Amino acid sequence: DGGITQSPKYLFRKEGQNVTLSCEQNLNHDAMYWYRQDPGQGLRLIYYSQIVNDFQKGDIAEGYSVSREKKESFPLTVTSAQKNPTAFYLCASSSQGGNEQFFGPGTRLTVL
Amino acid sequence: KNEVEQSPQNLTAQEGEFITINCSYSVGISALHWLQQHPGGGIVSLFMLSSGKKKHGRLIATINIQEKHSSLHITASHPRDSAVYICAVSSVEKGAQKLVFGQGTRLTINP
Repeated sequence: DGGITQSPKYLFRKEGQNVTLSCEQNLNHDAMYWYRQDPGQGLRLIYYSQIVNDFQKGDIAEGYSVSREKKESFPLTVTSAQKNPTAFYLCASSSQGGNEQFFGPGTRLTVL
Repeated sequence: KNEVEQSPQNLTAQEGEFITINCSYSVGISALHWLQQHPGGGIVSLFMLSSGKKKHGRLIATINIQEKHSSLHITASHPRDSAVYICAVSSVEKGAQKLVFGQGTRLTINP
């Protein structure tokens, strides 16, 4: 089945630690996105990538980093510089020029 | 003011009722999306609209481009329709598709 997988579903980390969230897609999509969702707020764009080895900052990139070494994979690292990392993180992908994005199941990160 | 505003933020109704969720936006768009998010957090796309009206089962989505407004209707609502419904608008900037999301409408259908 084609789709997007994110792992793990729940993640707990101590304050000050970096943590990497996984996102993999087998839809052969060129573009991939990371969003953050907080209670009562709309999803906000962290980073996106339109092609391998290239990525762009979204609206709230501070404290996050990404890489796009393979078309299928777009991992997100939440660094210790992110002041408020506890949130629900969603990965999405779309075909180049396509209007529709497909979403993964999300990772809920809690920093203790 | 957010670029995408949804109303109401919360909606509780009885099974069988007709449901309407509204979305207004203030930016130019290439398409408008209605998404459904279940308690587990996963998001599925319900509709993508650039004009007119679309229907899928008991769900109907309409858009008025001139008024920058869209509505999502659910007929004969059922408890399994309980979810958060999200409106999002897409545009293309520098060749990249960008989505701007509303804050979501939490719908609860009681049996």
